[in-house]
Amino acid sequence: EVQLLESGGGLVQPGGSLRLSCAASGFTFSSYAMNWVRQAPGKGLEWVSAISGSAGSTYYADSVKGRFTVSRDNSKNTLFLQMNSLRAEDTALYYCAKGGDYNSVPDFWGQGTLVTVSA
Amino acid sequence: AIQMTQSPSSLSASVGDRVTITCRTSQGIGNDLGWYQQKPGKAPKLLIYAVSSLQSGVPSRFSGSGSGTDFTLTISSLQPEDFATYFCLQDYIYPRTFGQGTKVEIK
Repeated sequence: EVQLLESGGGLVQPGGSLRLSCAASGFTFSSYAMNWVRQAPGKGLEWVSAISGSAGSTYYADSVKGRFTVSRDNSKNTLFLQMNSLRAEDTALYYCAKGGDYNSVPDFWGQGTLVTVSA
Repeated sequence: AIQMTQSPSSLSASVGDRVTITCRTSQGIGNDLGWYQQKPGKAPKLLIYAVSSLQSGVPSRFSGSGSGTDFTLTISSLQPEDFATYFCLQDYIYPRTFGQGTKVEIK
């Protein structure tokens, strides 16, 4: 059974940093791209970042480029999102999502971790 | 970035109704589109991938179609558990982009 468990969210001041983690199990982690997707309170979904299975390629939304860094540790089946220079508009529930077969759309999502950026 | 225009933003329907949601992209995306269902307080659930392929375990009343820049999610006979918000997602190029969502409410 695929499981994704996010952690690391919390309250942070504008300009601060947080590191999110996503512990994966139930599939061959290194074989799949992984994604971060966020959802601001009462809003729609926004794709944030993705990383290939080998970690050789990373991708970012324009809204976070230069501030967020995605990485993964395939030996520990864990995905990370380092978030720096946080802004109020980064407040959201952050989901990690497993890429689908043949690089298709994400097929399984964790339950999310809440990031609140406020003074 | 590819722009996604999803419509309608909300709709009211009755149990048993046929429901259609559309997603229009700003450029062609081949068959690189999926549909998700999200219920309040829950993570999104994949329904359809590659435009028309039904994800394992998803009821056959859900179907997807389309090509080029116009895509459709159809629920053939709406059930009580289908009242939720639906999103489309393109995975043709990065950055990935979602539609704005369609909230399906009880009439």
